[in-house]
Amino acid sequence: QKEVEQDPGPLSVPEGAIVSLNCTYSNSAFQYFMWYRQYSRKGPELLMYTYSSGNKEDGRFTAQVDKSSKYISLFIRDSQPSDSATYLCAMSGMEYGNKLVFGAGTILRVKS
Amino acid sequence: GAVVSQHPSRVICKSGTSVKIECRSLDFQATTMFWYRQFPKKSLMLMATSNEGSKATYEQGVEKDKFLINHASLTLSTLTVTSAHPEDSSFYICSAREASTQQYFGPGTRLTVT
Repeated sequence: QKEVEQDPGPLSVPEGAIVSLNCTYSNSAFQYFMWYRQYSRKGPELLMYTYSSGNKEDGRFTAQVDKSSKYISLFIRDSQPSDSATYLCAMSGMEYGNKLVFGAGTILRVKS
Repeated sequence: GAVVSQHPSRVICKSGTSVKIECRSLDFQATTMFWYRQFPKKSLMLMATSNEGSKATYEQGVEKDKFLINHASLTLSTLTVTSAHPEDSSFYICSAREASTQQYFGPGTRLTVT
């Protein structure tokens, strides 16, 4: 079993839809949770950074962390074609030092 | 803020030659830098962690004599692929870490070995 599970998709939605991206994990030692967006042939861009359980909102993006269920989500409201990219969840914790453990990435396609 | 650059963005080299890739944190001091490799449609694979002024720590299965990492200053790390072979062709991405856990990634370098 992988430490971080993420459905690779692709996930295809119409423009304006609410997108839900998810990751599950197995190690309760994870404390820091991140979502990155990666366009084709580019480096990942940090979208959201959260610590422990709870919600965090930034514009059209909302990140949720449920440590009891070992489940994190990223919601994108009013999705746009420019949101089409691969979304990677990543997490870390004291046990991992400086290292990030990544999910496989979900390919999102927003159709106009 | 938190901008990381990489140079070159793309490089083609002949088999047996060496290639150096630079990673710079432009507006912050990075105590730690990371080097990743990414295959097409795959997630990032951590190759090594480098701290300024000390030797890099390589992940299991990564040849340290083939992938030389130097972290000479708080804003610069280099990855040298020595005696490159076609199987080394890949997308190499660096990241830099400030004091917190957040890592900021560079735009990546596409290496093609012919």
